[in-house]
Amino acid sequence: NAGVTQTPKFRVLKTGQSMTLLCAQDMNHEYMYWYRQDPGMGLRLIHYSVGEGTTAKGEVPDGYNVSRLKKQNFLLGLESAAPSQTSVYFCASSQGGWQFFGPGTRLTVL
Amino acid sequence: AQSVTQLDSQVPVFEEAPVELRCNYSSSVSVYLFWYVQYPNQGLQLLLKYLSGSTLVKGINGFEAEFNKSQTSFHLRKPSVHISDTAEYFCAVSAGYGGATNKLIFGTGTLLAVQP
Repeated sequence: NAGVTQTPKFRVLKTGQSMTLLCAQDMNHEYMYWYRQDPGMGLRLIHYSVGEGTTAKGEVPDGYNVSRLKKQNFLLGLESAAPSQTSVYFCASSQGGWQFFGPGTRLTVL
Repeated sequence: AQSVTQLDSQVPVFEEAPVELRCNYSSSVSVYLFWYVQYPNQGLQLLLKYLSGSTLVKGINGFEAEFNKSQTSFHLRKPSVHISDTAEYFCAVSAGYGGATNKLIFGTGTLLAVQP
């Protein structure tokens, strides 16, 4: 099992550009999450999904959109990137209360 | 709503010394508690978890934590640390049974810096 995978690993964007981060899990988990990690702030939940076709806002959803068309995939979109979205993004999945994390995507917005 | 406090942003310690990383939480409902470890440039890995039962929980790499409901704490301990334990450690809480979303609330992290 690959667990939770994220693509790409690194990305540099210019302000105003758009991009999509892909998260995939092969554990048949119902729940999936997107977090951002910033120095001194821990992990903050952006959006999450409790099942295929459903999404919900987390703590810091502004500027992001998500989709869960297939159970194994959870996409995070930035429609118009801003420098404040420079961060490390982590995806996670869960079934039994604890979460499994992907390796992260480091995004820089210039 | 739940919240987590990790008061120590950094804990320096010498190799083979004991260490305790502190975590306090607040919640109006029963909780599940977790410690995750993040090595440099990697994702988070589950170190240990408390769901129910014994309040002393043992995890990987010789770490353990004790759930103290009266003090709302879940401190992480290791009797003898190694250089390889240098990493950032995150405490997290989620609503217990009946928490349908399994959402986690994370503390701000504690950097454990083990010196030779």
